[in-house]
Amino acid sequence: AQTVTQSQPEMSVQEAETVTLSCTYDTSESDYYLFWYKQPPSRQMILVIRQEAYKQQNATENRFSVNFQKAAKSFSLKISDSQLGDAAMYFCAYRLTGTASKLTFGTGTRLQVTL
Amino acid sequence: GAVVSQHPSRVICKSGTSVKIECRSLDFQATTMFWYRQFPKKSLMLMATSNEGSKATYEQGVEKDKFLINHASLTLSTLTVTSAHPEDSSFYICSASKAGAGGYEQFFGPGTRLTVL
Repeated sequence: AQTVTQSQPEMSVQEAETVTLSCTYDTSESDYYLFWYKQPPSRQMILVIRQEAYKQQNATENRFSVNFQKAAKSFSLKISDSQLGDAAMYFCAYRLTGTASKLTFGTGTRLQVTL
Repeated sequence: GAVVSQHPSRVICKSGTSVKIECRSLDFQATTMFWYRQFPKKSLMLMATSNEGSKATYEQGVEKDKFLINHASLTLSTLTVTSAHPEDSSFYICSASKAGAGGYEQFFGPGTRLTVL
């Protein structure tokens, strides 16, 4: 069974600084997707970034980028120039390819952004 | 866009009653929808996969007779919590699967907070 582990229950970063959230996963599959989702206090799940396992290039979305290490089964999220609006729960998630494939979530990391 | 709605956003009911939660994909068709449950300060736990026109697939440990799922159309899935009890109080989130350039993507509804008294 696939598992996703987030070892940092809470992280804190100062505004405008950079922070990295860690995620590791376990799978025997070679083709899959990895995601980072943000859940603000409203509890609406928002997709931050997505990585296809077959792509060696790390995904980037504006201030958000990932460090995908397939052999190590590691998928960290880097947030640059942190903003107050980045404060939220962040969940790492894994999914196989295919329409009916379910998401497996990590336990989440609560990110605080301070002035 | 890909918008998913849930109704109601919040519901309070008495113990022993049944509650129906609707999940709608507003601007796309979804053959597959998913139902999650989230306890306070915890992660999302998949309850079941809802497939249009067929029976839902439940995760291990989820009582299918208690959590009835119906996916009668390509834009609507419903979750009915039957004979609700206080331990069923939780935040329920649905997602709908949409085909895109990079494969299928799940889009989430805003969630429903259920409180059973």
